[in-house]
Amino acid sequence: QVQLQESGPGLVKPSQTLSLTCSVSGGSISSGGNYWSWIRQHPGKGLEWIGHIYYSGSTYYSPSLKSRVTISIDTSKTQFSLKLTSVTAADTAVYYCARGGTKQQPFDHWGQGTLVTVSS
Amino acid sequence: QSVLIQPPSASGTPGQRVTISCSGGSSNIGSNYVDWYQQLPGTAPKFLMYRNNQRPSGVPDRFSGSKSGTSASLAISGLRSEDEADYYCAAWDDSLRRWVFGGGTKVTVL
Repeated sequence: QVQLQESGPGLVKPSQTLSLTCSVSGGSISSGGNYWSWIRQHPGKGLEWIGHIYYSGSTYYSPSLKSRVTISIDTSKTQFSLKLTSVTAADTAVYYCARGGTKQQPFDHWGQGTLVTVSS
Repeated sequence: QSVLIQPPSASGTPGQRVTISCSGGSSNIGSNYVDWYQQLPGTAPKFLMYRNNQRPSGVPDRFSGSKSGTSASLAISGLRSEDEADYYCAAWDDSLRRWVFGGGTKVTVL
């Protein structure tokens, strides 16, 4: 059973860069056909997809966040990461990593989520 | 304002059938599959339904999905107390070129 676990700072100052890592266990991050996504949920709100990465390193980002987002993958460590630059209070949210993220591959496994607060 | 529109709440007594609607447009539900996620209080979303009406292994057959045109729905029959959760629909949007979600429907078991 694939398991995902987010890690990273819970507090980030405005204008700085948010950095999170998702560790994948119970399955290969390099398995053909699997995409890996980041999704966030603002407090008390719905879900917002940030982007995805393929094991080859190919990425696709939501157009609304594209200018500030970088997703990378380290297959040797079975991890993938999120960087979001120039954060503001509007980026305060629970961040989830998940497997999936294409038309053909829904989000079938999720991490438990990690709350990131943007505040000075 | 979410791209996919869901009622904010739905409720029923144990054993009843509850239906949640998800309304979209031609660029999302109208041309792509709809998936559903269940989020129990304080937990991460759980994969509940995919390709409009397919249940992942382990999901009870009390849950069923359907799609017609630019709308989709999730039905829960034989409602149980453990079904109290937020339910989200999702679909890829060909115009926005990203995943879009509904605002979520909170199901309460009375």
